[in-house]
Amino acid sequence: ETGVTQSPTHLIKTRGQQVTLRCSSQSGHNTVSWYQQALGQGPQFIFQYYREEENGRGNFPPRFSGLQFPNYSSELNVNALELDDSALYLCASSLVGHLYGYTFGSGTRLTVV
Amino acid sequence: DQQVKQNSPSLSVQEGRISILNCDYTNSMFDYFLWYKKYPAEGPTFLISISSIKDKNEDGRFTVFLNKSAKHLSLHIVPSQPGDSAVYFCAAILPTQGGSEKLVFGKGTKLTVNP
Repeated sequence: ETGVTQSPTHLIKTRGQQVTLRCSSQSGHNTVSWYQQALGQGPQFIFQYYREEENGRGNFPPRFSGLQFPNYSSELNVNALELDDSALYLCASSLVGHLYGYTFGSGTRLTVV
Repeated sequence: DQQVKQNSPSLSVQEGRISILNCDYTNSMFDYFLWYKKYPAEGPTFLISISSIKDKNEDGRFTVFLNKSAKHLSLHIVPSQPGDSAVYFCAAILPTQGGSEKLVFGKGTKLTVNP
């Protein structure tokens, strides 16, 4: 059973640029959620995807968008990067209805300069 | 507005002693709580959970207590081991408008267990 894998592990972007982060969900999981963890904070919910559609969103602006693919993998896209977007981005997969069965990836550390 | 609060950023204990990590919440809608452990360069891993219909749940060295009237949870680790050194997050499940559910996390408590 494979876990959740995220790529890349680290990246540096310039303010105003766009970035795409990728996540492969755990085998057997059909739901993917994305969280942002800023320094010294707990993870904050960005959005969740199920059946290739967004079915829940946190308090993040529209420049944060995502996709889920038929194999349940997912992408997080952030446009017009701002310095405050610097954070650890965590992907978590689960089986619908089993939220306590979340499996998190190791995250992507994004630095915006 | 922090709905889940972990007011102690750090805690240091001696190996073999008890570690007690605290968590307070403000939203009465929360009915399921989880504790996650996070090592550096790794994602959070699920540790233990508790439903609001219970006041205690045990799993080996880990016990979570829930006091609904006080809106307070605590995680007890007995005995503490150096390998328990990590950041511990308290989280609650909250429904979203889209029909899904999300985790609402506290800021975490960094536990250091000294040999």
